[in-house]
Amino acid sequence: QSALTQPASVSGSPGQSITISCTGTGSDVGTYNLVSWYQQVPGKAPKVMIYEVSKRPSGVSNRFSGSKSGNTASLTISGLQAEDEADYYCCSYAGSGTFVFGGGTKLTVL
Amino acid sequence: QVQLVESGGGVVQPGKSLRLSCAASGFTFRNYGIHWVRQASGKGLEWVALIWSDENKEYYADSAKGRFTISRDNSKNTLYLQMNSLRAEDTAVYYCARSFLGMDVWGQGTTVTVSS
Repeated sequence: QSALTQPASVSGSPGQSITISCTGTGSDVGTYNLVSWYQQVPGKAPKVMIYEVSKRPSGVSNRFSGSKSGNTASLTISGLQAEDEADYYCCSYAGSGTFVFGGGTKLTVL
Repeated sequence: QVQLVESGGGVVQPGKSLRLSCAASGFTFRNYGIHWVRQASGKGLEWVALIWSDENKEYYADSAKGRFTISRDNSKNTLYLQMNSLRAEDTAVYYCARSFLGMDVWGQGTTVTVSS
């Protein structure tokens, strides 16, 4: 159960697009289409932004999108806004009922 | 509204035990699996355990296996996490989260501090 690998930080200017990667293995991200992404503002509980690789929950802006290729999942935020500044975590099903999170990525909006 | 509320956190000595609770409201609790996820101060999220709506199916992270037990009382709409043989590295905010469309509902968290 090793954590998925995410970049520690990414940044972008308002209006730009950024992509956060999430690299796992053939035992988690590469096998299951059960990758989800969470936004966490400091001091608050996480909020699901993407589930099942690319599905967006009701109420989440369509500026957020997800994809997967091989063992790497990605979260893209387009039209970056100041309110998007937060920590982002990926999570994947890892088989046998277990799940694994990524180490988290701090998004800074310049 | 749909809500999860954790309780039971506190300061406990290494080697001791603690039981966390997660009270659910606003949805049919028995129909959903529920996770425990923890977060040490300044660190990332760590998945701890999951119990499916079928009470017999429990799953654990390696860090929790053998020391933690997840359980639920559907008559009380409550999830539990019994934590034994606690270690300093178990110090964290513990969240419960509903397993649906990812983890779609989270509680506010309860803080566990393991210290002598």
